[in-house]
Amino acid sequence: SQTIHQWPATLVQPVGSPLSLECTVEGTSNPNLYWYRQAAGRGLQLLFYSVGIGQISSEVPQNLSASRPQDRQFILSSKKLLLSDSGFYLCAWSARGNQPQHFGDGTRLSIL
Amino acid sequence: QKEVEQNSGPLSVPEGAIASLNCTYSDRGSQSFFWYRQYSGKSPELIMSIYSNGDKEDGRFTAQLNKASQYVSLLIRDSQPSDSATYLCAVYFGNEKLTFGTGTRLTIIP
Repeated sequence: SQTIHQWPATLVQPVGSPLSLECTVEGTSNPNLYWYRQAAGRGLQLLFYSVGIGQISSEVPQNLSASRPQDRQFILSSKKLLLSDSGFYLCAWSARGNQPQHFGDGTRLSIL
Repeated sequence: QKEVEQNSGPLSVPEGAIASLNCTYSDRGSQSFFWYRQYSGKSPELIMSIYSNGDKEDGRFTAQLNKASQYVSLLIRDSQPSDSATYLCAVYFGNEKLTFGTGTRLTIIP
């Protein structure tokens, strides 16, 4: 069966510090991968998605970036965090062809 | 613009009753529809997928799809306090991106 791992579960970072969140998927190959952010009490905002290694589509202009160095690895990064980057970050995967997405446990990021 | 709309609630339902959650979407050509449950502080969990008109039942959950009217609903029978959560409707609009509604907060009253 397929599993998705996302870490860390919580993270507290100072303003201006860098960020790296990692997500890996097991038990499938060539998945679509997604990064979402959810602000407190709000809906899901799609940040990036990828349909293959090195292929990244950005949905929202911001100081975040994403990379997919391997088929089942998706990384969210920032060089300098802003206060507005606080939120609940979720990684998800799906098979091709408009299949349901499956979420990791998420990372709760607080910026001080 | 492709949109998915849900009533944000809160929706309060007595324990044992039927909870009815509704969702409308903007693109008549959509083919894939999903319901997710999200407990407070947790990630969304897929509970139902539906692809064709009509009803699909899974345990206490029934998803209903009406493509002509562009709505999809979720019925929860014999509601339990553990069903208290936010329910997200999600639709693919033909590209590999899933569009989510803002969710309906459901509270089951013991």
